[in-house]
Amino acid sequence: AQSVSQHNHHVILSEAASLELGCNYSYGGTVNLFWYVQYPGQHLQLLLKYFSGDPLVKGIKGFEAEFIKSKFSFNLRKPSVQWSDTAEYFCAVWKTDKLIFGTGTRLQVFP
Amino acid sequence: DTAVSQTPKYLVTQMGNDKSIKCEQNLGHDTMYWYKQDSKKFLKIMFSYNNKELIINETVPNRFSPKSPDKAHLNLHINSLELGDSAVYFCASSQVGGAYEQYFGPGTRLTVT
Repeated sequence: AQSVSQHNHHVILSEAASLELGCNYSYGGTVNLFWYVQYPGQHLQLLLKYFSGDPLVKGIKGFEAEFIKSKFSFNLRKPSVQWSDTAEYFCAVWKTDKLIFGTGTRLQVFP
Repeated sequence: DTAVSQTPKYLVTQMGNDKSIKCEQNLGHDTMYWYKQDSKKFLKIMFSYNNKELIINETVPNRFSPKSPDKAHLNLHINSLELGDSAVYFCASSQVGGAYEQYFGPGTRLTVT
């Protein structure tokens, strides 16, 4: 079945460590790709998005993501995480008039 | 100032009851959505409306009935609540098309006992 996969379910890091969260999708053709973040007790917010052009996309709060078409991937990265980055991170694909979310990755950052 | 608002924030009710969740957006968007987030944080679209017209109904039981009185409002009515309906329900809105960011409401935590 077509899907969006996030292989890292739970990631634990110390502050200043580098972060990479994986996202793979199985839809062919043109896709629009998103990363959303959900801080504890809050609603989802957009981190970044990719539609076309430069496959390296920069978002808010120092996050970036790279679209690799041949690998059907859109991994999220941050060179140095902070305690305030503790949250749930969701990759999503826009396809056939709807946003399809991955299962999410819980990130815990310890001081 | 709130872009997408939902009421109530928490809803605790017994099986078999009927309840409604309201959503309003002040962003001028034409499209609104309802999502269900289960206990494992998995988010799945339930419905989308464009300018008061139903666009997507993701095989949701017909106990769930969305209603859009105008393009700024999308309410969700649930009949005969079941234990499995316990979840967080998020409303969202966007401009038309996949190129646009969806703005999410704060969520409504529904607990069915």
